[in-house]
Amino acid sequence: AQKVTQAQTEISVVEKEDVTLDCVYETRDTTYYLFWYKQPPSGELVFLIRRNSFDEQNEISGRYSWNFQKSTSSFNFTITASQVVDSAVYFCALSESFTGTASKLTFGTGTRLQVTL
Amino acid sequence: GAVVSQHPSRVICKSGTSVKIECRSLDFQATTMFWYRQFPKKSLMLMATSNEGSKATYEQGVEKDKFLINHASLTLSTLTVTSAHPEDSSFYICSARVPARPNEQFFGPGTRLTVL
Repeated sequence: AQKVTQAQTEISVVEKEDVTLDCVYETRDTTYYLFWYKQPPSGELVFLIRRNSFDEQNEISGRYSWNFQKSTSSFNFTITASQVVDSAVYFCALSESFTGTASKLTFGTGTRLQVTL
Repeated sequence: GAVVSQHPSRVICKSGTSVKIECRSLDFQATTMFWYRQFPKKSLMLMATSNEGSKATYEQGVEKDKFLINHASLTLSTLTVTSAHPEDSSFYICSARVPARPNEQFFGPGTRLTVL
């Protein structure tokens, strides 16, 4: 069974601080996909990144970066120089590889990030 | 591309009534749609997987007769909460999968249901 753990329930930082959101996953599949989503107060999920299990390269997109470590089953997300607009709930999710039937997404419990001035 | 809409965005109903929520893929055909439920400050829980032209597959613990799902066309899936009760109050989110990108899901904006 798949499982995603986001141990940090809430994080509060001051603007311009860097912050890392942790994500640890469990799966028996050798091929899988990892995702990060942002959910602002409006409720709509915003897709941030997708990473497949064969690609362990770290990725940077502006102030966002992701560190995928297969050895520790972790897919951590760092926001550099945080801004108030980054305040949201962030979800890490795991999907088994598409096999012809619907590939389900398993979500972590989310980390609420509060960025204050 | 890959836009998913939901209607209504917010609904308030009386206990005992039924409520229908629509999920539409606006610019693509979705053979598979998913329905999630999210309680306040909680994670998204998959309720069911909806395949066009066939019966939905429900997750364990989800009442099929309570949450009726119909996926009658490649662009529309509906979730009907029958005989709603206050404990059904929640945020319902649908997602759709683009056939050409089977490992991604595109999410709708969600529907907030309040049952009085």
